[in-house]
Amino acid sequence: AQTVTQSQPEMSVQEAETVTLSCTYDTSESDYYLFWYKQPPSRQMILVIRQEAYKQQNATENRFSVNFQKAAKSFSLKISDSQLGDAAMYFCAYGRDDKIIFGKGTRLHILP
Amino acid sequence: DVKVTQSSRYLVKRTGEKVFLECVQDMDHENMFWYRQDPGLGLRLIYFSYDVKMKEKGDIPEGYSVSREKKERFSLILESASTNQTSMYLCASRHTGTVYKAGYTFGSGTRLTVV
Repeated sequence: AQTVTQSQPEMSVQEAETVTLSCTYDTSESDYYLFWYKQPPSRQMILVIRQEAYKQQNATENRFSVNFQKAAKSFSLKISDSQLGDAAMYFCAYGRDDKIIFGKGTRLHILP
Repeated sequence: DVKVTQSSRYLVKRTGEKVFLECVQDMDHENMFWYRQDPGLGLRLIYFSYDVKMKEKGDIPEGYSVSREKKERFSLILESASTNQTSMYLCASRHTGTVYKAGYTFGSGTRLTVV
């Protein structure tokens, strides 16, 4: 069965600095999708970035980028120029077939 | 603005009550999902539905049932609420065949407390 592991329950970063959130996953499949979701205090889950496993190029969305290492089954999220609005719970997720499997989350604190 | 709407943001129920959590989406999505979110455990799938009147068990279906009589509405039912069902419940939906390109669209959650 597929699993998603986020080893950092909480992290803090100074405003304007860069932070990297870690995620590893386990699968025997070769074709799948990976996601990072953000859940701010409003509780609304927001898709931050997605990566298709067959694409070698790392996905980028403005200040958010990923480091996708398929062989290592690693999918980390880098947030550049951290802003106060980035404070949230971040979930790494694996998607294939009919379901998306989520990690346990990393709570990110932004220090002013 | 397309959305997934959960009828209650906060809910307090008594042990043994039958509880209905409602979710409505306006995107004509075929697939709908109910997750439970607990601190330190992330999101766990309770039930999902591929289409009207169809349902599949997720990872933690015990103590729950679902109803999908109309495409836009997916209800989660707690047959006899217990205190260990106190949690945040998230509804999500997506189109079949989008192959996760857009991920899921989520509601804003219902925080249920069973006393």
